[in-house]
Amino acid sequence: DIQMTQSPSTLSASVGDSVTITCRASQSIGSWLAWYQQRPGKAPKLLIYKTSILESGVPSRFSGSGSGTEFSLTISGLQPDDFASYYCQQHNSLSHTFGQGTKLEI
Amino acid sequence: EVQLVESGGGLVQPDSSLTLSCAASGFTFDDYAMHWVRQVPGKGLEWVSGISWHGNNIGYADSVRGRFTISRDNARNSLYLQMNSLRVEDMALYYCAKDRDADYVGGIFDYWGQGTPVTVSS
Repeated sequence: DIQMTQSPSTLSASVGDSVTITCRASQSIGSWLAWYQQRPGKAPKLLIYKTSILESGVPSRFSGSGSGTEFSLTISGLQPDDFASYYCQQHNSLSHTFGQGTKLEI
Repeated sequence: EVQLVESGGGLVQPDSSLTLSCAASGFTFDDYAMHWVRQVPGKGLEWVSGISWHGNNIGYADSVRGRFTISRDNARNSLYLQMNSLRVEDMALYYCAKDRDADYVGGIFDYWGQGTPVTVSS
């Protein structure tokens, strides 16, 4: 199975900052990577798929990049609602593996 | 508005069975693949199983293959997960999730329910 590794596990930032979360795949997944946001006690929410396509309704301060095995999610100008956990997920192979998550905290 | 409402979770003993249901509304159910994804509280997400729009193409995580069975009833706009031989490590919040595509291999989960908890304990 393809393994997904996110870094960092925890990230401290302030409102207005820009942050980047990295996701590494154990083998090439092309551009088949998605990002999800999960607030405490809530279900995950799709932010980005196919590396860089923003899901409808997601603010443009979220952006994704990468290919092959190295990917990143950048949030520019953090808003209070952005402090949450973020998960990458490969949608290349049938195992649909998730990363272990990154908690973005103030 | 897309809604996914899971039910059927509960407390069961190891090696017992449980069936989860997901009632879908707000979209054309038989146009899309559906999935089950689980999460141990405070931990990460694990894809469990997916089923394509027609029910003929199905996949399972290695951790549940042979014990869990996914199915759907397009006439009832419902998704199911039959879980047999439950283990302590199956204890989690189980989410129903809609795929953006018709085939489960797409694996992009654009809508999620709120989850139903499964506790496995003696």
